[in-house]
Amino acid sequence: GNSVTQMEGPVTLSEEAFLTINCTYTATGYPSLFWYVQYPGEGLQLLLKATKADDKGSNKGFEATYRKETTSFHLEKGSVQVSDSAVYFCALPSSGNTPLVFGKGTRLSVIA
Amino acid sequence: KAGVTQTPRYLIKTRGQQVTLSCSPISGHRSVSWYQQTPGQGLQFLFEYFSETQRNKGNFPGRFSGRQFSNSRSEMNVSTLELGDSALYLCASSLVDARPNYGYTFGSGTRLTVV
Repeated sequence: GNSVTQMEGPVTLSEEAFLTINCTYTATGYPSLFWYVQYPGEGLQLLLKATKADDKGSNKGFEATYRKETTSFHLEKGSVQVSDSAVYFCALPSSGNTPLVFGKGTRLSVIA
Repeated sequence: KAGVTQTPRYLIKTRGQQVTLSCSPISGHRSVSWYQQTPGQGLQFLFEYFSETQRNKGNFPGRFSGRQFSNSRSEMNVSTLELGDSALYLCASSLVDARPNYGYTFGSGTRLTVV
């Protein structure tokens, strides 16, 4: 089945710094790709998604571009805030219509 | 619009006991999936239900079971609890026929501690 690998954390940044969290995938075909975020003590929330190659998903200042050439879906934000401190998960369907598989998660801490 | 509701939020059980967790999906969502989240293993898929039928099952022992009711509410049961079952159990619902292209909406989870 499909799989995803994301960069190990934790990542610690100062407020207003640029963020990149790397995610690469192995997949048959071109499945939808997702980024989820988990704030402390909460469940996961869908942050953004891209449903086909070259699509760019964006939300709350975060962006990720579906790049089939490099099989990547890196998450970026130009200026992080303390409130962005959370764990970020890259995900895709394991195959076809089957449920999502998630990366290990990357913990981001933003300090003022 | 109410989100995905999981009850209870926290649970402490003793080894050997059994536990039942509940999940009410967003109104209109017919697909419910369950995940186990632990620090070591991350998110691991348990089950997926659609219209009261189990569509997919993860690689967990038979002690883990689940079901979905006609109103799309779902329960999962863990029998003969082990210390290693301590985890955050997350339920996620999605709008259509088990297709994740629309993304999941997760509940806040049930934190199970086995002592």
